[in-house]
Amino acid sequence: SAVISQKPSRDICQRGTSLTIQCQVDSQVTMMFWYRQQPGQSLTLIATANQGSEATYESGFVIDKFPISRPNLTFSTLTVSNMSPEDSSIYLCSVTPGWGTGKTEAFFGQGTRLTVV
Amino acid sequence: DAKTTQPTSMDCAEGRAANLPCNHSTISGNEYVYWYRQIHSQGPQYIIHGLKNNETNEMASLIITEDRKSSTLILPHATLRDTAVYYCIVRVRRGGTDKLIFGTGTRLQVFP
Repeated sequence: SAVISQKPSRDICQRGTSLTIQCQVDSQVTMMFWYRQQPGQSLTLIATANQGSEATYESGFVIDKFPISRPNLTFSTLTVSNMSPEDSSIYLCSVTPGWGTGKTEAFFGQGTRLTVV
Repeated sequence: DAKTTQPTSMDCAEGRAANLPCNHSTISGNEYVYWYRQIHSQGPQYIIHGLKNNETNEMASLIITEDRKSSTLILPHATLRDTAVYYCIVRVRRGGTDKLIFGTGTRLQVFP
């Protein structure tokens, strides 16, 4: 299993500013995933972060808006840049520690609830 | 570009079985079906997954049709604590990496 800690759990930010969200895992993982959940909606994958390489972004998401760092095998950050009210969402981190070894569960953090005013 | 479709909402009486359907008609032969649920303001919680065969664990059963174009999640004895949004998800491979692509989810309301 994997335990994920996200910080902050929530924040209220002014438009035009940036927020960096941290994701800490209690074990080493190859891939880390960042999702966005807009109010009342499902989860949408933003990007995949592999340690030692550039993050891979899904269609509709760009690095300038959502820069990601992955400095080691237990930690990642997602920055939401130049925020607007449309960025108000829950941002979630996910890991899949066993996908290369036959284990199949993906684990999610509790999310960061962002409100942009 | 979710690969699954689910009813928006369902109700179920406490103690009865909750049967949640999911269509995934474009699923590929090696793509798994996963089910997660999300209770208000929490991170998604794993329930079960399957490829071809029916699966059962302590939480639920997963019935996958022979053509793999649809599946049903069964909560055998729903309780009030099972009230949540249930997501039917396909694990796809893109760019050499497996990823979970969420559907829109079914909001299950269990009533007394």
